Amino acid sequence: DVVMTQSPLSLSVSPGEPASISCRSSLSLLHSNGYNYVDWFLQKPGQSPQLLISLGSTRAPGVSDRFSGSGSGTDFTLTISKLEAEDVGVYYCMQARQTPFTFGPGTKVEIK
Amino acid sequence: VQLVQSGTEVKKPGSSVKVSCKASGGTLSSHAIMWVRQAPGQGLECLGGLIPMLRSPKYAQKFQARVTISADESTNTAYMEMNRLRSEDTALYYCARGYDILTGNYSGFDLWGQGTMVTVSS
Repeated sequence: DVVMTQSPLSLSVSPGEPASISCRSSLSLLHSNGYNYVDWFLQKPGQSPQLLISLGSTRAPGVSDRFSGSGSGTDFTLTISKLEAEDVGVYYCMQARQTPFTFGPGTKVEIK
Repeated sequence: VQLVQSGTEVKKPGSSVKVSCKASGGTLSSHAIMWVRQAPGQGLECLGGLIPMLRSPKYAQKFQARVTISADESTNTAYMEMNRLRSEDTALYYCARGYDILTGNYSGFDLWGQGTMVTVSS
């Protein structure tokens, strides 16, 4: 199975400041169609996960433009331009390049 | 559209559980369906999934021998059945609906159920 790693595993950020989460895969997630099959999810406390980004950089409908995804191959980054209180929770990357899909361990983001 | 999952289950070790996931106000047939679990205080783990109209489930190797994923297109309901339950299977089980293969475009898993808590205890 493809192994996904994330760093850092926890992050404390002041409101209005940027936050960045790194995700690395054990296999290239770049498909021959030119897309990177990596998604980003946020799981807020007590809630189901919600999709933020698919295909590495495509924001899901309704997701704030404060969230952006970048990277290619095996290295990816989720950036939150200005952290707000509603952004707290655990962020997961997931690879969809190869079944079974696999998740990173999660990054817990808190407000400083 | 929302995914509505069946209710909390408490099971004995060695028994089986079957969790349902019904699409209310929408369909599942041509969509990718994924089952994910989350042990208490832990991260997300994918068990497997299927596209109902293709009738070809795929499983994480860890669960291949104990999990069966299926769907009933007539009722827009997906199922995950796990056998030979152990205490380590205690977790919140989620279904998620993803991209529509009829559109040809991958768009991630944007619709999740509320989760079904399965507790395995003697």
